[in-house]
Amino acid sequence: EDKVVQSPLSLVVHEGDTVTLNCSYEVTNFRSLLWYKQEKKAPTFLFMLTSSGIEKKSGRLSSILDKKELFSILNITATQTGDSAVYLCAVEAGTGNQFYFGTGTSLTVIP
Amino acid sequence: ETGVTQTPRHLVMGMTNKKSLKCEQHLGHNAMYWYKQSAKKPLELMFVYNFKEQTENNSVPSRFSPECPNSSHLFLHLHTLQPEDSALYLCASSQGQTIYSGNTIYFGEGSWLTVV
Repeated sequence: EDKVVQSPLSLVVHEGDTVTLNCSYEVTNFRSLLWYKQEKKAPTFLFMLTSSGIEKKSGRLSSILDKKELFSILNITATQTGDSAVYLCAVEAGTGNQFYFGTGTSLTVIP
Repeated sequence: ETGVTQTPRHLVMGMTNKKSLKCEQHLGHNAMYWYKQSAKKPLELMFVYNFKEQTENNSVPSRFSPECPNSSHLFLHLHTLQPEDSALYLCASSQGQTIYSGNTIYFGEGSWLTVV
């Protein structure tokens, strides 16, 4: 059965801390891995990763994929209260219409 | 603005009501999806349409009935729902089946459904 597992389930940090969110997966015919940020609205797209070892970076956020060990990490440096959200990991697999989501990591950044 | 628009944003309905959720995408995509999001659970895929044809139906109860009249519009018809169906219903779209790796899925704002 295809699955995506995220850890930790929730995390509380202070502003300025660095956090690492984890996503592991077991799917058939992996195509890509995606990270989303969800506040109290629609998930918004952060990164798409298709190749191992190539870091994607956007400001204080970065992500990398390891296709051998079947996981990805999302790093957030110098966290701010606006980073508080649920971070979702999704894996596109199969023929291209199948997206499998993890339960998400709920991040709370306190001042 | 994500290019995927859902209405209504909030809906309260009784167990004997019939209502519909509407989704429209302006991204030129070929695939559209309905997901259910409940607290503490992963996003649950309900239905997938690719080029207006239903390609996935993940054992969803018949009280949920999808309709996809064209590649830009998707409906979810609701009838005789149960209180446990209360959740956030997210519509999404993507490019669809492609020979290329890397297909991003874009979500609408969601419709918060409460069944009383």
